[in-house]
Amino acid sequence: AAGVIQSPRHLIKEKRETATLKCYPIPRHDTVYWYQQGPGQDPQFLISFYEKMQSDKGSIPDRFSAQQFSDYHSELNMSSLELGDSALYFCASSLGGDRSFFGQGTRLTVV
Amino acid sequence: AQSVTQPDIHITVSEGASLELRCNYSYGATPYLFWYVQSPGQGLQLLLKYFSGDTLVQGIKGFEAEFKRSQSSFNLRKPSVHWSDAAEYFCAVGSGGGADGLTFGKGTHLIIQP
Repeated sequence: AAGVIQSPRHLIKEKRETATLKCYPIPRHDTVYWYQQGPGQDPQFLISFYEKMQSDKGSIPDRFSAQQFSDYHSELNMSSLELGDSALYFCASSLGGDRSFFGQGTRLTVV
Repeated sequence: AQSVTQPDIHITVSEGASLELRCNYSYGATPYLFWYVQSPGQGLQLLLKYFSGDTLVQGIKGFEAEFKRSQSSFNLRKPSVHWSDAAEYFCAVGSGGGADGLTFGKGTHLIIQP
């Protein structure tokens, strides 16, 4: 069965650079969530989208933005990267109020 | 605000022994509860979920969890662990399956002794 696809799997950026992470939800899922998991930390909710509109916002820095496109894929844009942004970024998708399925994550390393 | 507490940071269990991982939640309405497992270098995998109905929920890999409203708990159990169960386990609470985003516990690191 198709799962949530995230790209890239690994990304290395320098401080103050910009990064874009992509998430392709399970087909027909209309909701996408982004989570950040720092080293040794529990996942923290960043932001979610339902039917291409932002549905909820968590602890997402102002330097980050995200959107959901007409094909329901989502992109997380991260600017002015800081060392502390190094983390595993998870995307999850769901169909309306059903449970979330997570992708494998994108490992971002800021050097 | 919703919150999840996993009181055990590390748990060590002998292979073949039974396992119980504790999870307590705080939520204003009927919670949607989840257990996820994260193996080293891997993403989160859903083990099981509770939305409503039978309070004893069966999941994958032989895991089960019991929802106890009176205790605000959703403990994860497995009768006999295998070495491959060594991983990080996260309990999470959400509303409507995740429409508002899940709140995760800090995780419990499970170590399996031979």
